[in-house]
Amino acid sequence: SYELTQPPSVSVSPGQTARITCSGDALPEKYAYWYQQKSGQAPVLVIYEDSKRPSGIPERFSGSSSGTMATLTISGAQVEDEADYYCYSTVSSGNRGVFGGGTKLTVL
Amino acid sequence: EVQLLESGGGLVQPGGSLRLSCAASGFTFSSSVMSWVRQAPGKGLEWVSALSVSGGSTYYADSVKGRFTISRDNSKNTLYLQMNSLRVEDTAVYYCAKYYYNSGSLYFDYWGQGTLVTVSS
Repeated sequence: SYELTQPPSVSVSPGQTARITCSGDALPEKYAYWYQQKSGQAPVLVIYEDSKRPSGIPERFSGSSSGTMATLTISGAQVEDEADYYCYSTVSSGNRGVFGGGTKLTVL
Repeated sequence: EVQLLESGGGLVQPGGSLRLSCAASGFTFSSSVMSWVRQAPGKGLEWVSALSVSGGSTYYADSVKGRFTISRDNSKNTLYLQMNSLRVEDTAVYYCAKYYYNSGSLYFDYWGQGTLVTVSS
């Protein structure tokens, strides 16, 4: 079955740039989406269609995709950005979805 | 304001059944593709199932295929997940999620707060 692979954890100091990667064989043809999930809360969309930012999401969040890898970048990470981040994409048929395993971002 | 309110979770023995409901409001439910996503305790998100606008097309993860059935009642703005032959590994918070679709882009734009299903003897 199709998988998206993320690093389990990323750690940065406040103000540094955090980069979280997501690799998947179908990403050259399929969009990547990124969700932020804080403890005990439902996920929140932070990036859609590889690089677009929903309204209300701070400008420090950006996304890119090249080949089989998508990247979420948080420029000038803040303590409140500590959360689990999940990439999401659709399976080749387009009607099923798949999440990456999630990356725990620590900012301290 | 878009609201998705799940209900029906609880404790069930292995092999048992449970039906989850998701009451939707604040958007045109009958025009929206809907889905269920789950999260086992301390684990990541897992896509479970999706349902077309009419309810005529259903999609399932391999882990639940043949045991779970997704359905909807557009007259009641409600999404359902019938879960049969439950296993310990089905223990999770189950989220109802609304899809956004636009020419090749398909993703969740709204989520409920989730309902906990615990499968244990």
